[in-house]
Amino acid sequence: QVQLQESGPGLVKPSETLSLTCTVSGGSISSSSWSWIRQPPGKGLEWIGYIYYSGNTNYNPSLQSRVAISVDTSKNQFSLKVSSVTAADTAVYYCARRMVTSLYRYCYTDVWGKGTTVTVSS
Amino acid sequence: EIVLTQSPGTLSLSLGERVTLSCRASQSVSSNSLAWYQQKPGQAPRPLIYGASRRATGIPDRFSGSGSGTDFTLTISRLEPEDFAVYYCQQDGSSFGPGTKVDIK
Repeated sequence: QVQLQESGPGLVKPSETLSLTCTVSGGSISSSSWSWIRQPPGKGLEWIGYIYYSGNTNYNPSLQSRVAISVDTSKNQFSLKVSSVTAADTAVYYCARRMVTSLYRYCYTDVWGKGTTVTVSS
Repeated sequence: EIVLTQSPGTLSLSLGERVTLSCRASQSVSSNSLAWYQQKPGQAPRPLIYGASRRATGIPDRFSGSGSGTDFTLTISRLEPEDFAVYYCQQDGSSFGPGTKVDIK
């Protein structure tokens, strides 16, 4: 079955760029769309955006100016960059699969990584 | 942009009770794109319901979903110890509601 693993620095300095990568195993990245979701400490889930294997993206309007998601099909990976980070970007970051079923076009987030904690601090 | 609201924010309940959680959208949402998740502390969310009413793989039948348009409901018929958690709704694999915490009375 498909599994996802986030990787990247756990500590980022304010004003710098946060960069994370998600490695997809057990399946091809060229079959779905792929999401980044985050959760600040003690708070709810915040959708950041998703990317299709073709490279088309859809971002949360509140983050759109600072976020970029890319895909590398040759490595079965997709990545997240968040620029000009502040303490408010401190969170657990999840990568996930945005599934759209071929029959009936049901859409939901069916596979999640374990999450990686990113702290923004000097 | 579609905004989801959930009510109540917290529910304090006893084992065996019936639970009804609400998710309301700021504009009409396709039922095919409304999903519910359960999250326990320190864990990633787990999908419970997709397509508003279809149980995800391995989800017990005490969980059910219903609704259409702007109003959706997650029902737990009888609370089990492992059901105390936070529940989120999501639309179109994008925005989430703020969550409802179900804790022990």
